[in-house]
Amino acid sequence: DVKVTQSSRYLVKRTGEKVFLECVQDMDHENMFWYRQDPGLGLRLIYFSYDVKMKEKGDIPEGYSVSREKKERFSLILESASTNQTSMYLCASSFGTSGTEQFFGPGTRLTVL
Amino acid sequence: GQQLNQSPQSMFIQEGEDVSMNCTSSSIFNTWLWYKQDPGEGPVLLIALYKAGELTSNGRLTAQFGITRKDSFLNISASIPSDVGIYFCAARRSGGSNYKLTFGKGTLLTVNP
Repeated sequence: DVKVTQSSRYLVKRTGEKVFLECVQDMDHENMFWYRQDPGLGLRLIYFSYDVKMKEKGDIPEGYSVSREKKERFSLILESASTNQTSMYLCASSFGTSGTEQFFGPGTRLTVL
Repeated sequence: GQQLNQSPQSMFIQEGEDVSMNCTSSSIFNTWLWYKQDPGEGPVLLIALYKAGELTSNGRLTAQFGITRKDSFLNISASIPSDVGIYFCAARRSGGSNYKLTFGKGTLLTVNP
């Protein structure tokens, strides 16, 4: 079974703090994704990566950056957290260029005070 | 832009009833996926459809890839309390990025025992 893990299930941070969300997958998938999920807005893609050190902006990249130094790990960084970044953050991974099926982690619920 | 219109937004049913939900779009897609998300968890892949007209089952779940490639439906037969959750459709566009999925906003299913 594909396993995608996220470093924290719940996180509370203060406005202006730098926040790191970590995601690890154990299936040697090339592609990794970060989404945020908000009521009424569904899942929105923040960034994705199709290879180590490669990244592409998704639909809502403002206020976020990412890092992929190793194939199994994809980090989402909030340089200066703001209250409008309070959300559920979901990481996903998929296989190669033909890998449509994305497998999700359990999510991190981030609250920014 | 591409959008998936998922309906209904929510359903309240009695245990044992059958359920039907669907996703439609004005765009053509070459893959349709259905996910289920339990409260506080990440989405879990239920069924993947790769061919127009394809009908696929997974236990009590049945999904079909519409012949026009612009829609898909999911049926759940003989619902049970653990079917409660949010069901999402997702699709990959023909000729589009190999990595990106478009998501519906979800159908919230409540099953009364």
